[in-house]
Amino acid sequence: QVQLVQSGAEVKKPGASVKVSCKASGYTFTSYGISWVRQAPGQGLEWMGWISAYNGNTNYAQKLQGRVTMTTDTSTSTAYMELRSLRSDDTAVYYCARDWGAVDSSGYYDYWGQGTLVTVSS
Amino acid sequence: DIQMTQSPSTLSASVGDRVTITCRASQSISSWLAWYQQKPGKAPKLLIYKASSLESGVPSRFSGSGSGTEFTLTISSLQPDDFATYYCQQYNSYSLTFGGGTKVEIK
Repeated sequence: QVQLVQSGAEVKKPGASVKVSCKASGYTFTSYGISWVRQAPGQGLEWMGWISAYNGNTNYAQKLQGRVTMTTDTSTSTAYMELRSLRSDDTAVYYCARDWGAVDSSGYYDYWGQGTLVTVSS
Repeated sequence: DIQMTQSPSTLSASVGDRVTITCRASQSISSWLAWYQQKPGKAPKLLIYKASSLESGVPSRFSGSGSGTEFTLTISSLQPDDFATYYCQQYNSYSLTFGGGTKVEIK
């Protein structure tokens, strides 16, 4: 069965970086993409970006350009999302999700990770 | 970015009720719209994609309709498991956006 298992909760200080992992299993990793979505406490969903597990192409949300990097390791079927220069308003649950698009994002997500809480606090 | 506006933001309903949630896009998105259900502390679950296509395994009481700028999610007969928050999401542009959510509460 398809599973996306994310790394554990993180507490970071403002200005630091965080790297969240998302290990996929139960499907051919390189036949899909991975998208990242975050949710601040009590708030709605915010799309962060997409990466092709096939060729590494990325598409990032404009507001995060320059602070976010998404990568994949096909040898371990793992996707990573690194966010730098953290601010208090980056406090959120970060989700990875399987995207049907291997070469271009399909835009919708059928399987999701369990979420990783990232808390940014001094 | 394309703005997605959901209404209502909160909806109180009883088991067995027919429930309709509306999502409006700030510009035409053709049929590139998905609906998700989210329960507290859980990841979203895909219900509908391409405006009206039911995701595999999702009960048939859920249906989606619309195109262009106006879309609806309908639950034909609300069940206890359906009390949750629902989000629409457009994927017409390279910058994807979600609606603000509709919380379906027990009346």
